[in-house]
Amino acid sequence: QQPVQSPQAVILREGEDAVINCSSSKALYSVHWYRQKHGEAPVFLMILLKGGEQKGHDKISASFNEKKQQSSLYLTASQLSYSGTYFCGTELYGGSQGNLIFGKGTKLSVKP
Amino acid sequence: GAVVSQHPSWVICKSGTSVKIECRSLDFQATTMFWYRQFPKQSLMLMATSNEGSKATYEQGVEKDKFLINHASLTLSTLTVTSAHPEDSSFYICSAREDRNQPQHFGDGTRLSIL
Repeated sequence: QQPVQSPQAVILREGEDAVINCSSSKALYSVHWYRQKHGEAPVFLMILLKGGEQKGHDKISASFNEKKQQSSLYLTASQLSYSGTYFCGTELYGGSQGNLIFGKGTKLSVKP
Repeated sequence: GAVVSQHPSWVICKSGTSVKIECRSLDFQATTMFWYRQFPKQSLMLMATSNEGSKATYEQGVEKDKFLINHASLTLSTLTVTSAHPEDSSFYICSAREDRNQPQHFGDGTRLSIL
């Protein structure tokens, strides 16, 4: 039931865009996106609850498809500070106490 | 807002020692708190979920008697690693959330090293 994240890793130049995908075989109650830097705890980026939803802040946005089985995180005009590992956490309908199952992560490296 | 404090940040101790890690939500009441374990370059693995005033729910394969969880109030949960051994060395992270439609906010993690 672990969501599948792609790509596993991506290298960008500053100012370039990236898309990270998160897919589930089952419909999801919600999707949460986090960024984790080496040796630090994950930092919350966004939560999506509704099918067809899109939201964002600054140059980071995310979408949740109508079937609620796929979410994408969009990073535009990337900055050096965007480097880190991005995780999607998915919650299933009827999941035990709303637990999140995290994908394996996407390592993003932004170079000057 | 939504700050979660976790202490200590790191612990180094001898095999056989018990270690307690605290997780506090500072500016909100956390109905549910979660404990994760993370090995280097791997994803977050949920160990257990705790609700205030009730017994924790452990994930399959996690020893209840080894990883004791107490959620005494809406702002505090503790994880005690009993009789720790070198294989218990890891990065332990807690998270807390107010309700199901809110995100989980993570503490800074505790790096545990057992010699």
